[in-house]
Amino acid sequence: KNEVEQSPQNLTAQEGEFITINCSYSVGISALHWLQQHPGGGIVSLFMLSSGKKKHGRLIATINIQEKHSSLHITASHPRDSAVYICAVNTGTASKLTFGTGTRLQVTL
Amino acid sequence: NAGVMQNPRHLVRRRGQEARLRCSPMKGHSHVYWYRQLPEEGLKFMVYLQKENIIDESGMPKERFSAEFPKEGPSILRIQQVVRGDSAAYFCASSPRISGGRETQYFGPGTRLLVL
Repeated sequence: KNEVEQSPQNLTAQEGEFITINCSYSVGISALHWLQQHPGGGIVSLFMLSSGKKKHGRLIATINIQEKHSSLHITASHPRDSAVYICAVNTGTASKLTFGTGTRLQVTL
Repeated sequence: NAGVMQNPRHLVRRRGQEARLRCSPMKGHSHVYWYRQLPEEGLKFMVYLQKENIIDESGMPKERFSAEFPKEGPSILRIQQVVRGDSAAYFCASSPRISGGRETQYFGPGTRLLVL
């Protein structure tokens, strides 16, 4: 079993829909990261969380430490949001990241 | 402020050749990480370096792979005697400092290695 699990693996939405991507982890962590990988392959860091909730534009990330669960929400989705969204954690105080397998999101017109 | 730079962006090697992948971290960053993404698989940690030191190489294959981050110049990931299974995207990331494992890592564009 992977230490970091994401769901769903694939997600198709219509423009304007509210999207939720889930991440569960089975180990103690010091931080959780949400990353975006574009079709061209580049990786962008969206959020780093250790508690609570963060918001940036149409993106919202939440984390529940007790339940070992995080969600990434996209409001008013747009085709340019189409990408792979990756959850990653720092286990313990380790600096290296352990990754989920990603959620492939496609937003259609 | 330039981002993390990696070169080459694409590299083609024949089996048995050597591959050298370079990573220049963001200005002011002294911590470098290398990650590998095999085709249709997730990202996996390989090695974590600070200037002149390997801090964690628990993800590096035992043979043929090595990494360095010299006092001057970029970090280098070196793969000797490449095999087809080494074909992957290799990403470098950097961060400015470490505070109990809570640092945003900034990723480079990756090097796509194809072994023929």
